Amino acid sequence: DIQMSQSPSSLSASVGDRVTIPCRASRGISNYLAWYQQKPGEPPKFLIYATFTLHSGVPSRFSASGSGADFALTISSLQPEDVATYYCQQYNTAPRMFGQGTKVELK
Amino acid sequence: QVQLQESGPGLVKPSGTLSLTCAVSGTSIGNSNWWTWVRQPPGKGLEWIGEAYHNGITNYSPSLMSRVTISVDKSKNQFSLRLSSVTAADTAMYYCATGYDVLDIWGQGTMVIVSS
Repeated sequence: DIQMSQSPSSLSASVGDRVTIPCRASRGISNYLAWYQQKPGEPPKFLIYATFTLHSGVPSRFSASGSGADFALTISSLQPEDVATYYCQQYNTAPRMFGQGTKVELK
Repeated sequence: QVQLQESGPGLVKPSGTLSLTCAVSGTSIGNSNWWTWVRQPPGKGLEWIGEAYHNGITNYSPSLMSRVTISVDKSKNQFSLRLSSVTAADTAMYYCATGYDVLDIWGQGTMVIVSS
């Protein structure tokens, strides 16, 4: 089974900062990597698929990159509404595990 | 617009069986989607439980495989989760979700507490 890891578990940044959230798979997953955003009290929201393709309606300040086993989500200019926990998920093979999540907070 | 709605008991006794249903609207459960359950213990991250395809194919998390069953009911356009021999560690928000491969549609979730 492919395990997903995210570190750090949390980070603090100021409004306008560029934020990068890493995600690593235990082995190569081609480009079958998705990102989700979860705000407190809400279900997760789908953001990005196929490593770097933004879902409809996702602001362009979000971008993602990576290949093989190392991936990252970047917010180019952090906004207050981006405060949330971000999860990566591999969908190369079942079980389609999530990373542990990275919580983004404002300084 | 595809919508999912979870339902089921909010309280389950230890050693009992947790049973939840996810009602699907806006699309047929017979389409080419994976029908998925995800859970989230209080204050913790997302845990993928498993998925089912309309033809009966299922995949489960290795850590839950011995206790979990996910099934699809085409006649009611819904899918279900059964988790047996529950303990306090199974207390969580349970979400149903779907998509062709990624999970682009989520239900609002239902909280299940395991307690006597």
